[in-house]
Amino acid sequence: DAGVTQSPTHLIKTRGQQVTLRCSPISGHKSVSWYQQVLGQGPQFIFQYYEKEERGRGNFPDRFSARQFPNYSSELNVNALLLGDSALYLCASSFVQMNTEAFFGQGTRLTVV
Amino acid sequence: DQQVKQNSPSLSVQEGRISILNCDYTNSMFDYFLWYKKYPAEGPTFLISISSIKDKNEDGRFTVFLNKSAKHLSLHIVPSQPGDSAVYFCAPINTGGFKTIFGAGTRLFVKA
Repeated sequence: DAGVTQSPTHLIKTRGQQVTLRCSPISGHKSVSWYQQVLGQGPQFIFQYYEKEERGRGNFPDRFSARQFPNYSSELNVNALLLGDSALYLCASSFVQMNTEAFFGQGTRLTVV
Repeated sequence: DQQVKQNSPSLSVQEGRISILNCDYTNSMFDYFLWYKKYPAEGPTFLISISSIKDKNEDGRFTVFLNKSAKHLSLHIVPSQPGDSAVYFCAPINTGGFKTIFGAGTRLFVKA
């Protein structure tokens, strides 16, 4: 069985550009959450989507947006990139809305130069 | 606003001995507590959890203890193995709010 898959694994963007990160949850999982992990810190919650609706949002600016598709895959968009957006972006999926046992992908390493 | 604190950035333990990783939290609304393990270049992997109605949960070599009055939990690994070397994150949840808050992590080194 495929786990949570994220694409791309690495990318480099320039300040001011826009980026789209993608996540495919484990088959049958309806909840997808996004996290940002900067060096030396734990993952910080950005969004949770369940059944294609936003169910939770962390303390991130409006430059961050996401959506979930009918097949439960998800995209995270970040506009007007800043150097401080450089981080590992993690996607997690779970069967139910409660993330009591979430499965993480390997992450997308974003570098903004 | 650090709701979750893992005050030891790193811990070094000899193989076969006990590893104890600690976590303190401030939000009394947390009602479910998870521990994740993370290897380099991989996403976090769920390890063990405990509900706020319990004070102990055991799974093989891993035991989590919860002291609600002190807002403190700990993860015990006995016996520690070199393959346990990883970063461990404490991650409480307010199940009513669906948001998981992660601590900064503790890097465990188990020496052979």
